[in-house]
Amino acid sequence: NAGVTQTPKFRVLKTGQSMTLLCAQDMNHEYMYWYRQDPGMGLRLIHYSVGEGTTAKGEVPDGYNVSRLKKQNFLLGLESAAPSQTSVYFCATSWGQGASNEQFFGPGTRLTVL
Amino acid sequence: QKEVEQDPGPLSVPEGAIVSLNCTYSNSAFQYFMWYRQYSRKGPELLMYTYSSGNKEDGRFTAQVDKSSKYISLFIRDSQPSDSATYLCAMSAGAQKLVFGQGTRLTINP
Repeated sequence: NAGVTQTPKFRVLKTGQSMTLLCAQDMNHEYMYWYRQDPGMGLRLIHYSVGEGTTAKGEVPDGYNVSRLKKQNFLLGLESAAPSQTSVYFCATSWGQGASNEQFFGPGTRLTVL
Repeated sequence: QKEVEQDPGPLSVPEGAIVSLNCTYSNSAFQYFMWYRQYSRKGPELLMYTYSSGNKEDGRFTAQVDKSSKYISLFIRDSQPSDSATYLCAMSAGAQKLVFGQGTRLTINP
């Protein structure tokens, strides 16, 4: 089992360009999350999904969109990239929230916006 | 003020030392407390999980929760160079999203 995978691993964009990050899981988890990790800021939740066809905003959603058309995939889109979006992006999955809220993380995508 | 505060370090100790990592929090509704370990250029992975107050031990690792002081700790005994990583505390209030600390970068020197 691959667990949680992320594509691509690295990407460099110019300001204003768009891109989509793909998260795929084979754990049959209902919940999926997108975080960004910046120095001194820890992990901040961008968007999350509680099941196929659902999405919800997290702590820092501005400038990002997401889609969950299939249970196993969660896409994060940047429509017009800005230098402030330079970060490491992590996808995570879990069975549920609360007591069953162990989150399993992917390896991350390092994004640089010039 | 952040809901969860964690000293980012860096923290550097010699091999074999006892390491103490800590987080404070402000939300008294938090009941589930976790410690994640993140190696360089990898995703975080769950290390310890504790519900409510008390201690939990797993090998060389001990997690403590003091809800009255809103303070959690992770102790590492007989620290090894392989323990060098960033340690993130995380917590949630029942069916709520996880809130992470900033992470503490730890280096164990041989």
